[in-house]
Amino acid sequence: DIQMTQSPSALSASVGDRVTITCRTSQSISSYLNWYQQKPGKAPKVLIYAVSNLQSGVPSRFSGSGSGTDFTLTINSLQPEDFATYYCQQSYTFGGGTKVEIK
Amino acid sequence: QVQLVESGGGVVQPGGSLRLSCAASGFTFTNYGIHWVRQTPVKGLEWVAFIRYDGSKQWYADSVKGRFTISRDNSQSTLYLQMNSLRAEDSAIYYCAKDGVAAALTYYFEYWGQGTLVTVSS
Repeated sequence: DIQMTQSPSALSASVGDRVTITCRTSQSISSYLNWYQQKPGKAPKVLIYAVSNLQSGVPSRFSGSGSGTDFTLTINSLQPEDFATYYCQQSYTFGGGTKVEIK
Repeated sequence: QVQLVESGGGVVQPGGSLRLSCAASGFTFTNYGIHWVRQTPVKGLEWVAFIRYDGSKQWYADSVKGRFTISRDNSQSTLYLQMNSLRAEDSAIYYCAKDGVAAALTYYFEYWGQGTLVTVSS
């Protein structure tokens, strides 16, 4: 099974900051690597699918990149509504999550 | 708009059974495979099962294989998860999630329901 390691597990940031979250897989992958946002009490919501494709309706400040075993979610100019937990996922495996908190 | 509404969660004793339902609307149900995904504070998000758009094939996580059965009624646009021999570690919020690509298994969870809570406890 592929392991997904997200880092950091938590971070504090201010509104307007640029935030980068990393996901490393235990072996090279070539198919869907997706990123989700989850707010307390809500279901996850897809932000990025297949590494770098922005889901319809998601603000353009979110972007995804990477290849092989290293993937990144970037949030440019963090907004108040972006404080949440973010997960990477590939096939049936999810990362452990990154909680983005207000500094 | 796409809607997925789960129901059927509750409290059940270890060894018991429960059937979850997921009512779908806002898309052509017969064109898409659907997943069950569960979440706990300790284990995080865990994929549980998937059923093809036509119901002809199912896939399961090893942790539930032989105990859970995923099925669908395309005439009612409804997905089911029959859970037998339940264990404490099956306690979780269970979500149904639509695969993002028609007639395919991509594990791209495009839309999610609001979840239903299952608690296995004596």
